[in-house]
Amino acid sequence: AQSVTQLDSQVPVFEEAPVELRCNYSSSVSVYLFWYVQYPNQGLQLLLKYLSGSTLVKGINGFEAEFNKSQTSFHLRKPSVHISDTAEYFCAVDSSYKLIFGSGTRLLVRP
Amino acid sequence: DVKVTQSSRYLVKRTGEKVFLECVQDMDHENMFWYRQDPGLGLRLIYFSYDVKMKEKGDIPEGYSVSREKKERFSLILESASTNQTSMYLCASSITGPSSYQETQYFGPGTRLLVL
Repeated sequence: AQSVTQLDSQVPVFEEAPVELRCNYSSSVSVYLFWYVQYPNQGLQLLLKYLSGSTLVKGINGFEAEFNKSQTSFHLRKPSVHISDTAEYFCAVDSSYKLIFGSGTRLLVRP
Repeated sequence: DVKVTQSSRYLVKRTGEKVFLECVQDMDHENMFWYRQDPGLGLRLIYFSYDVKMKEKGDIPEGYSVSREKKERFSLILESASTNQTSMYLCASSITGPSSYQETQYFGPGTRLLVL
């Protein structure tokens, strides 16, 4: 069965600094990967997804992620964060009509 | 824009009560999902449905049941609520992609349920 690991439960960072949120998945023949964001008191919304093709995927709000098959990783990055990026971020992998989510990483952006 | 709505944002119930959580989507999506979200555990799938009257157990179905009588509506039922069902409940919907991979799931705002 597929699984997703987000090792960092919380990542504090100063405004305008770069950030990387880590995600590792269990290997599979084919894999579809997603990053979702949850702002306070809201549901989740899609940031970006990898289905095939280019390993560098660009999403909304300046985020991007790189699919690395050899390291089974799909880390999320942003070169310069804003206060408004404070939220919880979930990595997910497709598994037969279902999504398997990681435990989430809370990004705290400080002024 | 896809809209997924949930009947309540906050709900307080007593142990043993029967609880209904309703979810409605307006984009004719085939697939609908119920998750619970708990700190440090992420989202865990309770049940999902890929068509009207069809349902599949997710990872944690115990203590829950579901109903999908119409394509746009997916209900989660707690037959006899218990304190360990205090949680945030999220509903989602999606279509199925051409290669059967999971298309984007669209989420409702969530229902925070407290069972006393």
